Amino acid sequence: KQEVTQIPAALSVPEGENLVLNCSFTDSAIYNLQWFRQDPGKGLTSLLLIQSSQREQTSGRLNASLDKSSGRSTLYIAASQPGDSATYLCAVGASGTYKYIFGTGTRLKVLA
Amino acid sequence: GAGVSQTPSNKVTEKGKYVELRCDPISGHTALYWYRQSLGQGPEFLIYFQGTGAADDSGLPNDRFFAVRPEGSVSTLKIQRTERGDSAVYLCASSLAPTSLSGANVLTFGAGSRLTVL
Repeated sequence: KQEVTQIPAALSVPEGENLVLNCSFTDSAIYNLQWFRQDPGKGLTSLLLIQSSQREQTSGRLNASLDKSSGRSTLYIAASQPGDSATYLCAVGASGTYKYIFGTGTRLKVLA
Repeated sequence: GAGVSQTPSNKVTEKGKYVELRCDPISGHTALYWYRQSLGQGPEFLIYFQGTGAADDSGLPNDRFFAVRPEGSVSTLKIQRTERGDSAVYLCASSLAPTSLSGANVLTFGAGSRLTVL
């Protein structure tokens, strides 16, 4: 059974810092991985989608990497801003199914 | 529409009552998902529709939960004999259908329906 873990559960950093959020999964048989952002009381917003054949994806100040063999993905946020404060969730697309399995998220607070 | 619309945004009901939650996906998105999110947890998969049919309903917790999508667009999640443990935010997402199990498209989520069972 696929399990997704995100570390740390919460993170508080001063504005301007570069930071890394971690996601690990137990079954390397995935067909893609997505990173999402969730603001309080809101739905999820997709940030980056990495197909299983890819190693990384970049969008603006965000960079996500994928290492299938070790069951890990990282989300790198450069020059963090207070507006980046939110919960970040990773979700793996399990091979052989259409379902996405989510981690419990990392709650990020960027202090001005 | 421009995004995924979910109604109601909030629903308070009494234990034992019947509840319907509606999802209106993005026009042209044939794939539709229902997830449930409890406080402090990540979303938990409930059911996936491809067009009108439920391609995967393995996440429905028991037979009190049922979902339909009769015309391949709007979907309704139905919960019978609600229990306090059903309290959660119910999220709907849609996407362009993957061409195969190896393909994928970005999921677009709605804002969710917060269900509180007293």
